Amino acid sequence: NAGVTQTPKFRILKIGQSMTLQCAQDMNHNYMYWYRQDPGMGLKLIYYSVGAGITDKGEVPNGYNVSRSTTEYFPLRLELAAPSQTSVYFCASRPGGADQPQHFGDGTRLSIL
Amino acid sequence: QQPVQSPQAVILREGEDAVINCSSSKALYSVHWYRQKHGEAPVFLMILLKGGEQKGHEKISASFNEKKQQSSLYLTASQLSYSGTYFCGTEGGTSGTYKYIFGTGTRLKVLA
Repeated sequence: NAGVTQTPKFRILKIGQSMTLQCAQDMNHNYMYWYRQDPGMGLKLIYYSVGAGITDKGEVPNGYNVSRSTTEYFPLRLELAAPSQTSVYFCASRPGGADQPQHFGDGTRLSIL
Repeated sequence: QQPVQSPQAVILREGEDAVINCSSSKALYSVHWYRQKHGEAPVFLMILLKGGEQKGHEKISASFNEKKQQSSLYLTASQLSYSGTYFCGTEGGTSGTYKYIFGTGTRLKVLA
């Protein structure tokens, strides 16, 4: 199994550009999450989804959009990139139940110049 | 609100013990612990559920006091491989709300 796959691994954007960070999981997990981690800091929840067609805001949703049309995919869209969005973005998934841990992708390192 | 971890950072010599605390202002249904090495994704360590028992994994164990909304991670006889940043992950509410957030993190450095 591939687990959680994120693409691209690295990206440099110019201010004002847009892009979509891709996340796919092959474990049939219902719950998927997007986090950002600024240098030397912790993980902040951007958006999450409890199933196809259902998404909700996390702690820091401004400047981002998500969609979840299928169980497998949970893309994160950045509109009008700003330097403050320079970060490492992690996608994670977990099956239902509070006794289940997060499965993380390897992350996307994004720099906005 | 993000759970607060203490201490923010700790330096140990090999063989020494450490305790990392995670405290939430909201009721918790479960607490999960992760370790993250520099440049890598967090790796799961253990889960504690409300009403559950203290968990252990080799020389790393944890407890969960749901009344105080706190969890503690215990590292005994630390090894060089324990170095990294530790995060608690929490899911609030009485039965879980699926909004899964992480604590502020504790940097642990083990020296030879």
